[in-house]
Amino acid sequence: AQSVTQLGSHVSVSEGALVLLRCNYSSSVPPYLFWYVQYPNQGLQLLLKYTTGATLVKGINGFEAEFKKSETSFHLTKPSAHMSDAAEYFCAVSVGVNTGFQKLVFGTGTRLLVSP
Amino acid sequence: GAGVSQSPSNKVTEKGKDVELRCDPISGHTALYWYRQSLGQGLEFLIYFQGNSAPDKSGLPSDRFSAERTGGSVSTLTIQRTQQEDSAVYLCASSQVGGPADTQYFGPGTRLTVL
Repeated sequence: AQSVTQLGSHVSVSEGALVLLRCNYSSSVPPYLFWYVQYPNQGLQLLLKYTTGATLVKGINGFEAEFKKSETSFHLTKPSAHMSDAAEYFCAVSVGVNTGFQKLVFGTGTRLLVSP
Repeated sequence: GAGVSQSPSNKVTEKGKDVELRCDPISGHTALYWYRQSLGQGLEFLIYFQGNSAPDKSGLPSDRFSAERTGGSVSTLTIQRTQQEDSAVYLCASSQVGGPADTQYFGPGTRLTVL
């Protein structure tokens, strides 16, 4: 079964520091991978996604992620954290490729804390 | 519309009562999804609609849960005889065609509290 694992329920960084949020996936077929962000009391917003093609994917707000098949990873990075980046981040894999339906299976989330 | 909308934003109910949660997807999106977000279970898939049909109901936690979609647009998630473990945020999402690479656009959610 396809799944994702997010290491670290909480990550703390200082403003201006590198952000690295880890995601590893398990999939028997080429995966479609997503990163979503959730601000307090809001729904989920897509940051970026990997489907096919270039393995380095750029998203909104300066975030990017690299699909590494050999490591089954899709880690999210941002060179310089901003206070407004404080939120919860979810990695997800699309399940149901070639079956006619799709659902997202989410990791448990990582809360990013940014200190001044 | 501009985005996915859900109503009500908050619902407090007593154990044993029935509740209905509504989702208005983005206009023209044929696929619609319901997820549940709770502290203990994280984000769980509940049900998927393609048009008005639900080919995958495997995520509904019990037969107290049901959902329908009419006119290929609005969807209602109904929970009968609510239990305290039903307390969660219920999120609705829609996507253009329902393919595996499609982006799912999420609404703000309905926070359900069962007393």
